[in-house]
Amino acid sequence: EVQLVESGGGLVQPGGSLRLSCAASGFTFSDHYMDWVRQAPGKGLEWVGRTRKKANSYTTEYAASVKGRFTISRDDSKKSLYLQMNSLKTEDTAVYHCVRVSGTYNLDFWGQGTLVTVSS
Amino acid sequence: DIQMTQSPSSLSASVGDSVTITCRASQDISSYLDWIQQKPGKAPKSLIYAASSLQGGVPSRFSGSGSGTDFTLTISNLQPEDFATYYCQQHKSYPLTFGPGTKVDFK
Repeated sequence: EVQLVESGGGLVQPGGSLRLSCAASGFTFSDHYMDWVRQAPGKGLEWVGRTRKKANSYTTEYAASVKGRFTISRDDSKKSLYLQMNSLKTEDTAVYHCVRVSGTYNLDFWGQGTLVTVSS
Repeated sequence: DIQMTQSPSSLSASVGDSVTITCRASQDISSYLDWIQQKPGKAPKSLIYAASSLQGGVPSRFSGSGSGTDFTLTISNLQPEDFATYYCQQHKSYPLTFGPGTKVDFK
């Protein structure tokens, strides 16, 4: 059974940092691109960014709203995905979902998410 | 960026009804269009990929069509577990973008 379990969310002050983790199981993690998608309270879905796999040099893509502040990384040996968030803003408050990308590039499996609240 | 719009933003229906949700892209995205279902407090779930292909385990009452800029999601014989919010999403180019969602609730 595919499982994606996020952790690391919490309350942080504006300007602060937080690192989210996503533990994957039930599939060959290293074979997949992985994404982060967020959802602000009561709002829709917003794509945050992507990490490709080793064969694609682990290259990354980011939404303009987080580029330069957020960094996506992965550790295939630990089957884990990470999101390092720096210079956090109140508008970064959201549930952050870890998402598997299929071979046809659709977002085929989503984690439950972890809540990040940026507030003073 | 490619903008995605959906209509209606919400609709009310009854069990057994057939409903159709429309999604439009601001430019040609070929068939790089997926549909995602989200229930309150739950993880989003992929329903349809490549505009019309059903994700494994998804009931056949869900169907998708379209290409280019105009797409539809149809749910036939609506079931109680189908009341949810539905999002379209394009992956033709970065950044990936989602429609604003269509909430399907009980009439």
